[in-house]
Amino acid sequence: DQQVKQNSPSLSVQEGRISILNCDYTNSMFDYFLWYKKYPAEGPTFLISISSIKDKNEDGRFTVFLNKSAKHLSLHIVPSQPGDSAVYFCAAWRTGYALNFGKGTSLLVTP
Amino acid sequence: DARVTQTPRHKVTEMGQEVTMRCQPILGHNTVFWYRQTMMQGLELLAYFRNRAPLDDSGMPKDRFSAEMPDATLATLKIQPSEPRDSAVYFCASGQGAGNEKLFFGSGTQLSVL
Repeated sequence: DQQVKQNSPSLSVQEGRISILNCDYTNSMFDYFLWYKKYPAEGPTFLISISSIKDKNEDGRFTVFLNKSAKHLSLHIVPSQPGDSAVYFCAAWRTGYALNFGKGTSLLVTP
Repeated sequence: DARVTQTPRHKVTEMGQEVTMRCQPILGHNTVFWYRQTMMQGLELLAYFRNRAPLDDSGMPKDRFSAEMPDATLATLKIQPSEPRDSAVYFCASGQGAGNEKLFFGSGTQLSVL
């Protein structure tokens, strides 16, 4: 039972434009939501997180928005750069449990 | 620069053989996870340890998979006997259990079972 869903397997964006990656979840008990970035032949690396009591967290070009009523979060990358091309995993965490990941969205930023 | 170390990076084996994957978590981290990445399932949890005690291995096929932490510096994942459907990338991750479970991943073991 997939509790974290990323319904877009891939996304292509032009350099300089905004990239928006979406994630839905089903369990209202999650305490934190995280985004990980993965390059080929490497492990995922932590990018940004947000507590369930917040609705926005910003770190440089990356902003995560959380809409608890819709059980939806999104990652905005502005401006997008070719080095942002990677697979992005949405993850959700609940106290006492392991991180629950989505299937990932492959982002391609074209020059 | 602290990192999670996984060995081997690549493993090719024949069906029926035993496979052992090893992981050295970051010193001081008290949570260790094994995840498997496949195209169909994304990153799926296989096992979860806290302070070396197994907390969740519900995602692991019990008849062929086993996960252990002989000590705080070593976690192992074994498959016996291996099958072609086990072919995937296996990741180990560790964390401090600080409350938001920011995990640090190793580079993974690419397993191919022929």
